[in-house]
Amino acid sequence: GIQVEQSPPDLILQEGANSTLRCNFSDSVNNLQWFHQNPWGQLINLFYIPSGTKQNGRLSATTVATERYSLLYISSSQTTDSGVYFCAVAGNAGNMLTFGGGTRLMVKP
Amino acid sequence: DSGVTQTPKHLITATGQRVTLRCSPRSGDLSVYWYQQSLDQGLQFLIQYYNGEERAKGNILERFSAQQFPDLHSELNLSSLELGDSALYFCASSVVPGGGYTFGSGTRLTVV
Repeated sequence: GIQVEQSPPDLILQEGANSTLRCNFSDSVNNLQWFHQNPWGQLINLFYIPSGTKQNGRLSATTVATERYSLLYISSSQTTDSGVYFCAVAGNAGNMLTFGGGTRLMVKP
Repeated sequence: DSGVTQTPKHLITATGQRVTLRCSPRSGDLSVYWYQQSLDQGLQFLIQYYNGEERAKGNILERFSAQQFPDLHSELNLSSLELGDSALYFCASSVVPGGGYTFGSGTRLTVV
């Protein structure tokens, strides 16, 4: 199956800083999503982005499908951005999402 | 509110018991997926249903079973529970297989 690797595994930021999270995947995909898991365990869908670039407020994402990676940008981070960010992909051979190991982000005030 | 409803939110039960987790997908979504998130295994795909039919199976134990009903809600049945089954169980739905997934808020199962 598809392998999904996320980096860095842990990230500590001061409030107001910017960050870039990376997701590498091992095969062609027809679905790529970024999720934020908040401290209460909820999985919040941030982006559905199998290719191209999208922006939503302080967050943006870019997927370069031909090079098999995606980036999530967080600008002017806030303490409420803390949590775990997951990248998940589905390949052409099946429809289920395979999740990466996540990036645990802590934003300090 | 994501539109995917999972009940109950929390469940505490003893080893050897059986529980049923329920999921109502977003209105119009035909596909339902179940995932397990444990501390040491991350988010693992369990099973997928599309319009009432089983579509794909992942790392689902034989003690676990699921079904999707005509009204499209789904139930995940966990039996002969073990301490290691303690985890967050998520349900997700999508309009079509491979489309964007929306996750419910999860059921936190604790087996004591």
